[in-house]
Amino acid sequence: LAKTTQPISMDSYEGQEVNITCSHNNIATNDYITWYQQFPSQGPRFIIQGYKTKVTNEVASLFIPADRKSSTLSLPRVSLSDTAVYYCLVGGAGSYQLTFGKGTKLSVIP
Amino acid sequence: NAGVTQTPKFRILKIGQSMTLQCTQDMNHNYMYWYRQDPGMGLKLIYYSVGAGITDKGEVPNGYNVSRSTTEDFPLRLELAAPSQTSVYFCASSPGTSGRGSQETQYFGPGTRLLVL
Repeated sequence: LAKTTQPISMDSYEGQEVNITCSHNNIATNDYITWYQQFPSQGPRFIIQGYKTKVTNEVASLFIPADRKSSTLSLPRVSLSDTAVYYCLVGGAGSYQLTFGKGTKLSVIP
Repeated sequence: NAGVTQTPKFRILKIGQSMTLQCTQDMNHNYMYWYRQDPGMGLKLIYYSVGAGITDKGEVPNGYNVSRSTTEDFPLRLELAAPSQTSVYFCASSPGTSGRGSQETQYFGPGTRLLVL
């Protein structure tokens, strides 16, 4: 399982775009990059997943450079309700184990 | 469609007691997982199941047991509770139809908070 490194915490004002970068130098060829969001006292919730280049959905965008050794989760115009912990995960198709690190605690300030 | 449900929401156990944490999903998912989350930490996999009658250990299985007699239910059993098992326990499920293992989207329950004193 590839190890991931992401900032422990970030602060942002409401309405700003937030970019959270995750490094995964040992990513394997068949690994996907997945981001989950966790609010206090709740289970994690899937946000977005990608393999290469750029993926966008109604919640976020995920940017993955050609070497795939890092990825950036982009949250456009954050609001107070985006305050949560964001986890970057890298896993192989042949594994049933997801490794959750400590994640990035995002605090959105009014 | 309730998704993944867990009971109880909160429980206090004395050292040495036993209990079963219940988990049920109504999405007809093949894969189910149990995680624990200690304060300020990420989730660690305890056990997982890829179908009825099939279970396997995760990263931290000691002190726990599981069974999977039906597709819907995946109970977690603590036999001799210890203070080190104080944690929040999350159950999750995923379709298990894409061949992509843990990379499929996992759907999590609301969690069970357990305190062992």
